Amino acid sequence: DAKTTQPPSMDCAEGRAANLPCNHSTISGNEYVYWYRQIHSQGPQYIIHGLKNNETNEMASLIITEDRKSSTLILPHATLRDTAVYYCIVRVPLAYKLSFGAGTTVTVRA
Amino acid sequence: NAGVTQTPKFRVLKTGQSMTLLCAQDMNHEYMYWYRQDPGMGLRLIHYSVGEGTTAKGEVPDGYNVSRLKKQNFLLGLESAAPSQTSVYFCASTDYNEQFFGPGTRLTVL
Repeated sequence: DAKTTQPPSMDCAEGRAANLPCNHSTISGNEYVYWYRQIHSQGPQYIIHGLKNNETNEMASLIITEDRKSSTLILPHATLRDTAVYYCIVRVPLAYKLSFGAGTTVTVRA
Repeated sequence: NAGVTQTPKFRVLKTGQSMTLLCAQDMNHEYMYWYRQDPGMGLRLIHYSVGEGTTAKGEVPDGYNVSRLKKQNFLLGLESAAPSQTSVYFCASTDYNEQFFGPGTRLTVL
């Protein structure tokens, strides 16, 4: 699986959009970009994934650059409950392994 | 639909004791995983299974054994617990895209 690079931490104001960047310059053509988050002490939670097109669901939007070397997760209206560690993972679907790096610790402030 | 459940939620062992952690999923998933998470770190894969009766080693398999006798259950065993195995253990199962995680088992080895 391709490695990813994320900033270690970021703050966001409640009600504002949170934009989380991820670099994955060595991504292969068949690898997808996945985002998970882990709220304190809980198991990780799937957020969204995509291959090359932008994706949106009820939780977030995923913007992938045309060259697929980087992506941005957007939380449109951050709430205090969005405070968590966010992991960007690149993998082939059903690959046996999810490689969790250090992620980005997002703190949403009132 | 309970998703992924883990038993027990907490456990304290003495060095040298043995125990088994149970993971159960009711989503009919073929793939199941055991991860460990140490403080301030991402998850690391211990063992995984691609179907009933099959198991394979992940990144950090030493000191652990697993069994998948039934499709819905994945057991993680510690034959002789060591303080280095103090951690939070997460089980997960997957459909084609998303890994579903259990709530975790917090294990302390004294």
